[in-house]
Amino acid sequence: DQQVKQNSPSLSVQEGRISILNCDYTNSMFDYFLWYKKYPAEGPTFLISISSIKDKNEDGRFTVFLNKSAKHLSLHIVPSQPGDSAVYFCAARGGSNDYKLSFGAGTTVTVRA
Amino acid sequence: EAEVAQSPRYKITEKSQAVAFWCDPISGHATLYWYRQILGQGPELLVQFQDESVVDDSQLPKDRFSAERLKGVDSTLKIQPAELGDSAMYLCASSSRLAGYEQYFGPGTRLTVT
Repeated sequence: DQQVKQNSPSLSVQEGRISILNCDYTNSMFDYFLWYKKYPAEGPTFLISISSIKDKNEDGRFTVFLNKSAKHLSLHIVPSQPGDSAVYFCAARGGSNDYKLSFGAGTTVTVRA
Repeated sequence: EAEVAQSPRYKITEKSQAVAFWCDPISGHATLYWYRQILGQGPELLVQFQDESVVDDSQLPKDRFSAERLKGVDSTLKIQPAELGDSAMYLCASSSRLAGYEQYFGPGTRLTVT
């Protein structure tokens, strides 16, 4: 039962342009959402997060938007840089005292020079 | 900067053999997680520890997998016997209340079962 879905397995974007990654979830009890970035042969590294009580969080070039009514969140990267080429995972936390993360399948971003 | 350590980084084993992975979390992190990531999928939680106690092992195939964290610090995940379908990346992560419960991942162990 996939509770977090990333329906786009890959994204190619030109350097300097905006990358938009999408994520949908089904469990309305999720209270915290995170994006992780993963390079080959490395573990995922935390990128940015958002609480379910907010609709936007910004950190430098990265902004996450949350639409609770649509159970949808997105990650915007602007401007995209070659070092952003990686796999991006959307994750959601269970809520209350449940800190387990449910992950999407990931989106592979390729930034073209 | 503190990191989660894992070893080995790569492991090749034949099916029916036993294999073990080790994880040392960030110092002071009470919660430790083992995930399995199959290529093309997101990480899936296998087991979660709070100190030395198992909090969640609902997705751990207990007929062949075992995990322990005897002193509430480092942890070992074991598979016996290994099967072809166990080929995956095994990731360890840790978190703490003071760190906002954000999970920090180690580099993982890439297991190939032949």
